Amino acid sequence: GENVEQHPSTLSVQEGDSAVIKCTYSDSASNYFPWYKQELGKGPQLIIDIRSNVGEKKDQRIAVTLNKTAKHFSLHITETQPEDSAVYFCAASGGSGAGSYQLTFGKGTKLSVIP
Amino acid sequence: DTGVSQNPRHKITKRGQNVTFRCDPISEHNRLYWYRQTLGQGPEFLTYFQNEAQLEKSRLLSDRFSAERPKGSFSTLEIQRTEQGDSAMYLCAVPGRSPEQYFGPGTRLTVT
Repeated sequence: GENVEQHPSTLSVQEGDSAVIKCTYSDSASNYFPWYKQELGKGPQLIIDIRSNVGEKKDQRIAVTLNKTAKHFSLHITETQPEDSAVYFCAASGGSGAGSYQLTFGKGTKLSVIP
Repeated sequence: DTGVSQNPRHKITKRGQNVTFRCDPISEHNRLYWYRQTLGQGPEFLTYFQNEAQLEKSRLLSDRFSAERPKGSFSTLEIQRTEQGDSAMYLCAVPGRSPEQYFGPGTRLTVT
């Protein structure tokens, strides 16, 4: 089945700086890559996603890039703000094997934005 | 508003007891997913429904777990004879424009 690795596990940045979180996946058939933000005591919130036919997608301060050849994708947050502090998860789906709808998640990155 | 409500939000139970969680999508969705999230980990897929039919079950879903979606709307997840290893957040998700999934707030289960 699919395996998603996520790095780093923790990340501290100064307010206003950029943050980058990287993920790799194992199943070359995966074709959908969402990113979720999870605040304490809440469910994961979808913040941006990218499909395999697109190399980059941007939404205001966040962007995601995908390299299908290398099987890795990244989340970029610019001009970070304290409210960006949370745990971020990458995920992948659409691969072969155990069903095309299930999401396989990375282990998460705890982002702390220092005012 | 995630479009999904889950109840209860928190459940504390003693080992060996049975527990049931409920997921209520606000609007109609043909698919519904259950995930489990343990502390410090990402969510892990448990099972998925297409209308009333349970189409996929993860190896994580032991014989003590059963899920239903009787009318293709709300869903329940029951755990029988709970064990301490069942302590986790149980998350329900519904689709947006496929393939997006939107999660509810989850039910946190603590087995003592």
